[in-house]
Amino acid sequence: DTAVSQTPKYLVTQMGNDKSIKCEQNLGHDTMYWYKQDSKKFLKIMFSYNNKELIINETVPNRFSPKSPDKAHLNLHINSLELGDSAVYFCASEAVGTGELFFGEGSRLTVL
Amino acid sequence: GNSVTQMEGPVTLSEEAFLTINCTYTATGYPSLFWYVQYPGEGLQLLLKATKADDKGSNKGFEATYRKETTSFHLEKGSVQVSDSAVYFCALKGGGGADGLTFGKGTHLIIQP
Repeated sequence: DTAVSQTPKYLVTQMGNDKSIKCEQNLGHDTMYWYKQDSKKFLKIMFSYNNKELIINETVPNRFSPKSPDKAHLNLHINSLELGDSAVYFCASEAVGTGELFFGEGSRLTVL
Repeated sequence: GNSVTQMEGPVTLSEEAFLTINCTYTATGYPSLFWYVQYPGEGLQLLLKATKADDKGSNKGFEATYRKETTSFHLEKGSVQVSDSAVYFCALKGGGGADGLTFGKGTHLIIQP
């Protein structure tokens, strides 16, 4: 049973399209995150949610909109995709305050 | 703000060599410190952590000691294996809430047989 699962694992799409990435965790954690990893492996936090409430919203274009229907799910919707959005997006969960993050396998987004 | 600096690599070593990956940090207060590892095609996994000064985290033969006086958390292993080839990330957590981790840029380690 995968602790943090993301779908899809690969996503290839055209500029201007809208796409979503889904994330689910079965660890019972209250906190979930989205991170973006660029081609040089640099990881940048995008959003954090605690018990369905948005906690962190870093300087991310408002084309990115997270949604947390319940504390086990945190989805990421991206409108009007741009070339620069190409990256690997990681979902993670945390037992709040521990710093021990459990990551999904990542979703590789390629915008053509 | 918080920041983490680590050697970027790639670092290439022969099997059974001694490994050190340097990591220094800037933070207010007393952060917790972590090393995460990312194997090819996978997400990050926690390797070890230390929550206060002079604590030593260890796992799978890797060690790191929280040095407050030098604001460092260097990762070491006495004898590396080919299977240790991965990207290693140093990270810190400044507060106790849902503020996530601040990661270094990652160090790509390549172990040759």
